[in-house]
Amino acid sequence: AQSVTQLGSHVSVSEGALVLLRCNYSSSVPPYLFWYVQYPNQGLQLLLKYTTGATLVKGINGFEAEFKKSETSFHLTKPSAHMSDAAEYFCAVSPIGGYNKLIFGAGTRLAVHP
Amino acid sequence: GAVVSQHPSRVICKSGTSVKIECRSLDFQATTMFWYRQFPKQSLMLMATSNEGSKATYEQGVEKDKFLINHASLTLSTLTVTSAHPEDSSFYICSAPGEDGYTFGSGTRLTVV
Repeated sequence: AQSVTQLGSHVSVSEGALVLLRCNYSSSVPPYLFWYVQYPNQGLQLLLKYTTGATLVKGINGFEAEFKKSETSFHLTKPSAHMSDAAEYFCAVSPIGGYNKLIFGAGTRLAVHP
Repeated sequence: GAVVSQHPSRVICKSGTSVKIECRSLDFQATTMFWYRQFPKQSLMLMATSNEGSKATYEQGVEKDKFLINHASLTLSTLTVTSAHPEDSSFYICSAPGEDGYTFGSGTRLTVV
């Protein structure tokens, strides 16, 4: 079965520190991969996506992610955390490729402290 | 860019009543709409996929008679929660796929009292 696993439901970092949010997926075909951010009581905002081509994807707000097929991973990173990065982050997969139904990970709540 | 307008953003209804949630694609034609539900502090779970002019496809465990989905035109998909109960209280979000990604509605916070 296709699935998305986000390791760590809560991650806490200091302002200015590296942010690393982990995502692993299972898929039988090359998937489309996404990271979304959600602020309280709001909808989803796309941070970045991987469909084909370059495996290192740069997104908004300084975030980037690398698709590693051998590790079935798509971890999200940001070199230096800002207070405004505190939010819920979701990794999502379109497991059959294309813009088909998305399967979301459980989410990781990122806290940034001074 | 593409916009999906979702209404209402918040609704409080009494137990036993029905609530309709609308998602409109404002500047594009949405032949498909995905409907998700998000319980507090949880992830988004796909409920159903609606396709314009045909019956919706429901995910396993989702009651199709309780969550009525209609996709009568290329710009409007609706989700009606019938005979709502407190356990139906949740955040409902629609999403339309396009050529370059997904466009999400802003979500509807349903509270059943």
